[in-house]
Amino acid sequence: QVQLVESGGGLVKPGGSLRLSCAASGFTFSDYYLTWIRQAPGKGLEWVSYISSSSTYTIYADSVKGRFTISRDNAKNSVYLQMNSLRAEDTAVYYCARLSMNQEYFQHWGQGTLVTVSS
Amino acid sequence: QSVLTQPPSASGTPGQRVTISCSGSNSNIGSNNVNWYQQLPGTAPKLLIYSNNQRPSGVPDRFSGSKSGTSASLAISGLQSEDEADYYCAAWDDSLNAWVFGGGTKLTVL
Repeated sequence: QVQLVESGGGLVKPGGSLRLSCAASGFTFSDYYLTWIRQAPGKGLEWVSYISSSSTYTIYADSVKGRFTISRDNAKNSVYLQMNSLRAEDTAVYYCARLSMNQEYFQHWGQGTLVTVSS
Repeated sequence: QSVLTQPPSASGTPGQRVTISCSGSNSNIGSNNVNWYQQLPGTAPKLLIYSNNQRPSGVPDRFSGSKSGTSASLAISGLQSEDEADYYCAAWDDSLNAWVFGGGTKLTVL
């Protein structure tokens, strides 16, 4: 079965950096687009970024553009989110999700990893 | 302020039918499919309805979706206590070049 397992979350000071990882299994990783979605404590869902199957295309939400970088390693079945210049408003649970084959919906989700930005 | 608009809360008694609305614009719901996600307390979201009205395998047929113009709805019939959760609509927005979500609706089973 499809599994997505995020890691790398933690406490970081404002202005700091963090790299999230998402390890995938149970499907042909290189066939699918992957995405990151976040949820601030007690708030709704916010899409962050996605990456195409061969890394050709990456798109970011305006709120993270220029600060976050999504990447993937198809040999390691993993997708990453490099987060720089972190702000308090980046505090959230970050979910990794696999898009459907037609890239129209978030078909499978990981359990999430918590990022806390605080001094 | 979310791009898609949902009521913050909804409620019903066991066995009732409830609907949750999701309002958008021509650039998102008006030109793309709508998907719904269910988030049970303390868990990750899960795909509930895709392509406006399609259910993934394993989702009971008590859940149904519809779309008309720039609005969409999620209906839950035969409400059960385990349906108590947060529900989110989502769609791609052609103008923003981004996925957009509704603010979420907290469903309470009385």
